[in-house]
Parts: sequence; structure tokens; C-alpha cells
Amino acid sequence: QQQVKQSPQSLIVQKGGISIINCAYENTAFDYFPWYQQFPGKGPALLIAIRPDVSEKKEGRFTISFNKSAKQFSLHIMDSQPGDSATYFCAASDNNDMRFGAGTRLTVKP
Amino acid sequence: KAGVTQTPRYLIKTRGQQVTLSCSPISGHRSVSWYQQTPGQGLQFLFEYFSETQRNKGNFPGRFSGRQFSNSRSEMNVSTLELGDSALYLCASSFSSGGLSTDTQYFGPGTRLTVL
Repeated sequence: QQQVKQSPQSLIVQKGGISIINCAYENTAFDYFPWYQQFPGKGPALLIAIRPDVSEKKEGRFTISFNKSAKQFSLHIMDSQPGDSATYFCAASDNNDMRFGAGTRLTVKP
Repeated sequence: KAGVTQTPRYLIKTRGQQVTLSCSPISGHRSVSWYQQTPGQGLQFLFEYFSETQRNKGNFPGRFSGRQFSNSRSEMNVSTLELGDSALYLCASSFSSGGLSTDTQYFGPGTRLTVL
């Protein structure tokens, strides 16, 4: 069932540091790769997303790097802040299916 | 603009019972998707409805069903509840006329179902 592998499970970063979360997918039909941020008691919220025709997308402090040949993509959070402490999920989808990674619990220490 | 709303937020049921969860999408959104979130299995896609029709379905048994009304509101039903059905059930809506990867999905806060 699991077609998206996410690592690490948990991550502790100092304020101002870079947080990096990695995902790998199997289904080459997937054409949409979003990252979601989830705070306790809330639903996931879209952070940033990429399609396979580009190798990198940046929005503010958040960057997705995408490697189509390796079927891998990653989220980089620059200048990490305590307010970024949350669980992050990668996902991969086509029009008919969406698969999620297991999640990474990020803690940013002040 | 109001976000996705889900009711109830918390629910406790016993094994064998059935449950109905409700989702009101963002105004104008016609696609509604349902997801199950558990500590063990993570986030899993249940099904998607668009224009009152089930357009896509994940790998869940037939005990899980849903429907969508003409105003795009959606309900999800789980019959013959099992202990393993305890989870956070999330609903997401989007404009998407083309499928799950076409448009941004906006998630609701979820319904926490506990099966005793």
C-alpha cells in the first residue's frame, strides 16, 4: 500500500538552521507532489507543491527539490523557526490516487 | 471565505455500530475527498466525490461508503465498526474538475472517531 517513503521520522533543528525532509515514490504515473504541514488538532495545510516538469520550486523559506530520474523529492526549510514545529507530510498523486508519506515531526529549538 | 467544516469533531461509538460523518466544502468547491489518519497507517485516501458521483476510491473495504449532495456537501458512512476504525477522518475540498492532482486540496479539522 505504502508507495511513498518519507524520512526522517523526527527531526530536531536549532532556530535559524535548515530542516531537510526527504521522500521517495514508486509510481511513475504520479504527477503532483505536495507537502503538507499539520499542527496538533488541525487538518493538514498545503505548504508547497511541485510538478515533475521542474526540478526546484521556492516559496519564501520553503523549497522543494525534485529528482524525477531518482523518483525522489525533498523539502528544505531555511532559517527554521520555532513556529515551524509541526508534522510534515509529503504526498504524491495522479488524478485518481493520492499517497502520503508517514510524516516527519519537526521540532525547532529556540 | 469559510474553510472546510466537519461535524461532529469528536465521536465515540462501540463495535458493530455504524457512524455518519459530515463535511461541508469551501463555497464553490465541487470536489470532496475523504482520508483516514491513524498513527499506524498514516494518512490514507478513502474516496473522492465530484458532482455527486464517486470519482475515485482508495483501498478500503465496502464498510466505508460515502455520498455527495447537490450542494457539494458530503457524508461518509462506516458500517459495522471495528476497533481498527478508530482514527481521525479528514475531509478535503477543491475546485478540481480534473482529479486529485489538478488542484489544491483544502483540509478540514477532521472528526476524531473512537471505537470502543
